[in-house]
Amino acid sequence: AQTVTQSQPEMSVQEAETVTLSCTYDTSESDYYLFWYKQPPSRQMILVIRQEAYKQQNATENRFSVNFQKAAKSFSLKISDSQLGDAAMYFCAYRSANFNKFYFGSGTKLNVKP
Amino acid sequence: GAVVSQHPSRVICKSGTSVKIECRSLDFQATTMFWYRQFPKQSLMLMATSNEGSKATYEQGVEKDKFLINHASLTLSTLTVTSAHPEDSSFYICSARGGANTGELFFGEGSRLTVL
Repeated sequence: AQTVTQSQPEMSVQEAETVTLSCTYDTSESDYYLFWYKQPPSRQMILVIRQEAYKQQNATENRFSVNFQKAAKSFSLKISDSQLGDAAMYFCAYRSANFNKFYFGSGTKLNVKP
Repeated sequence: GAVVSQHPSRVICKSGTSVKIECRSLDFQATTMFWYRQFPKQSLMLMATSNEGSKATYEQGVEKDKFLINHASLTLSTLTVTSAHPEDSSFYICSARGGANTGELFFGEGSRLTVL
């Protein structure tokens, strides 16, 4: 089975600054999707950004961008101009193009300091 | 994005009783829904894949007789925790795939189950 690893259990960033959350994954497949989900204290999972493995261009959504390194199997999330509302658990997730299952990392708790 | 609604958000029950949690896709049809369990400060653990009109597929180690899943329509899946015990207390989250090409999961609000 695919594995997703988030090596940073907790991170802190000053408001308005930039932070990068790390994610690595293990797979033998060539076609897949990668996601970052945010889980705020309300507990509902919210999609932050997604990346199709066949696309070389890194995905960007406003203040959120990824650094996708397919050969290194790395998928980090960069949050620019951090805001207090960004404080949450962030989960990296992998999905095969051919199968329904999602595999989640263990999560990184992001604290944003005012 | 697609909306998935889960109900109830919180439920407290006595040990030995059964509890049903509903998961609805509000603005799209979901042939497949997923049920996850999340322990405090941990990641999501996939319990089962719910398929409309057929039996659910359970992950290894998940008791299908304890966690009954029914996906009777394209917009509704239910998870029934039967004969609940305190160790079943957890946060249960449902999700569904939305859109033909997006591939992402849309999540319900989650249900906090406490078994006394």
